[in-house]
Amino acid sequence: IVMTQSPDSLAVSLGERATINCRSSQSVLYSSNNKNYLAWYQQKPGQPPKLLIYWASTRESGVPDRFSGGGSGTDFTLTISSLQAEDVAVYYCQQYYSTPFTFGQGTRLEIK
Amino acid sequence: QLQLQESGPGLVKPSETLSLTCTVSGGSISSSSYFWGWIRQPPGKGLEWIGSIYYSGSTYYNPSLKSRVTISVDASKNQFSLKLSSVTAADTAVYYCARVHPVDTGMLRTPGYFHHWGQGTLVTVSS
Repeated sequence: IVMTQSPDSLAVSLGERATINCRSSQSVLYSSNNKNYLAWYQQKPGQPPKLLIYWASTRESGVPDRFSGGGSGTDFTLTISSLQAEDVAVYYCQQYYSTPFTFGQGTRLEIK
Repeated sequence: QLQLQESGPGLVKPSETLSLTCTVSGGSISSSSYFWGWIRQPPGKGLEWIGSIYYSGSTYYNPSLKSRVTISVDASKNQFSLKLSSVTAADTAVYYCARVHPVDTGMLRTPGYFHHWGQGTLVTVSS
């Protein structure tokens, strides 16, 4: 499954909304449990990725509620409702519906 | 608090075998029903899943690397390991180990999302 993110980079003003898109080449919605096998990660320079969202919309414990995930099937979004300086990072989506588990190419988020 | 730490040589010669170990602390590799995995990231590039292993020993590998990869668990040392043979410059990357949350896929329990990550270790393939 090929994961394609858009845009590749994004510049948003502090306090504004940032939206990152992720599209999968086939559906990652498992019909038997109606769950989307999709996760989002944040990676800051020199650090490992950090899990933000799983099951497409479930926020990981400790992740600020300004981060939200949405979508289903093949089209997903990660939204930061009010951008903070510490949100500057590269964001990746990942499907765990089938092997090989694959990541999007990443979206670099910067401050405008 | 769960911690994972990668260790191993930072420089490997072409055609040789890359060997890394991930030491888990703050939790037992064998007492919890988690998968354990390896992911790599070439400098300045994106993430590539290498493979995952269940605490019982069953493995899942990326087909693009499967012929060269072996992942194993040593429960007595609370460690799991990665071996990648016949390396080339294209294998130069930061290698991360991670705890992988299991998910249900039909009748199977399979690797899911990467819940906890090590800090990563840079491995350079060069003569």
